[in-house]
Amino acid sequence: EIVLTQSPGTLSLSPGERGTLSCRASQSVSGNYLAWYQQKPGQAPRLLIYGASSRATGIPDRFSGSGSGTDFTLTISRLEPEDFAVYYCQQYGTSPWTFGQGTKVEIK
Amino acid sequence: QVQLQESGPGLVKPSETLSLTCTVSGGSISNYYWSWIRQPPGKGLEWVGSVYSSGTTNYNPSLKGRVTMSVDTSKNQFSLRLSSVTAADTAVYHCVRSSGYFLYWGQGSLVTVSS
Repeated sequence: EIVLTQSPGTLSLSPGERGTLSCRASQSVSGNYLAWYQQKPGQAPRLLIYGASSRATGIPDRFSGSGSGTDFTLTISRLEPEDFAVYYCQQYGTSPWTFGQGTKVEIK
Repeated sequence: QVQLQESGPGLVKPSETLSLTCTVSGGSISNYYWSWIRQPPGKGLEWVGSVYSSGTTNYNPSLKGRVTMSVDTSKNQFSLRLSSVTAADTAVYHCVRSSGYFLYWGQGSLVTVSS
């Protein structure tokens, strides 16, 4: 199975700062079928990005995804208070679909 | 707007079978893939398996043949059965509509495995 490794484990930032989250795959992700999710405590995850760079409906344009092959990035251009959460990447190019272990974005 | 709601026992004894049902509203269950994703308390996400509205299934091999999923199109529901459970199966179980990625999620149902 494809193992996804996210870094850093925790990212401490202030509102208004730029956040850069990394997701590295153990082998190439077929079709760049890579998604990103945001999860807040007690809530289900919310889809942010699919296909490595396409924003889901209703997602603000401060969220952007990039990358291909084995290296992918989620960028939050200017952190808003509601963006502090845990972020997961997920690949759906090769079964079994797998998730990264998550990056927590916390208030500095 | 598609909505999903999990239902089933919150407590299951070790070695028994966990059973959950997901009811889909706001849209038809037909012509989509439907999945279960679980999250142990304080931990990350794990894809359990998926079922197409026709009944075709795809399971995570890590669950070693313990998983069965099915669809009831007449009730707009799909179900999960996980046999021979242990404490390691304690988790919040989410039902999800999938297109490879996971767009519509249920709120999740906590299932605890304990005697």
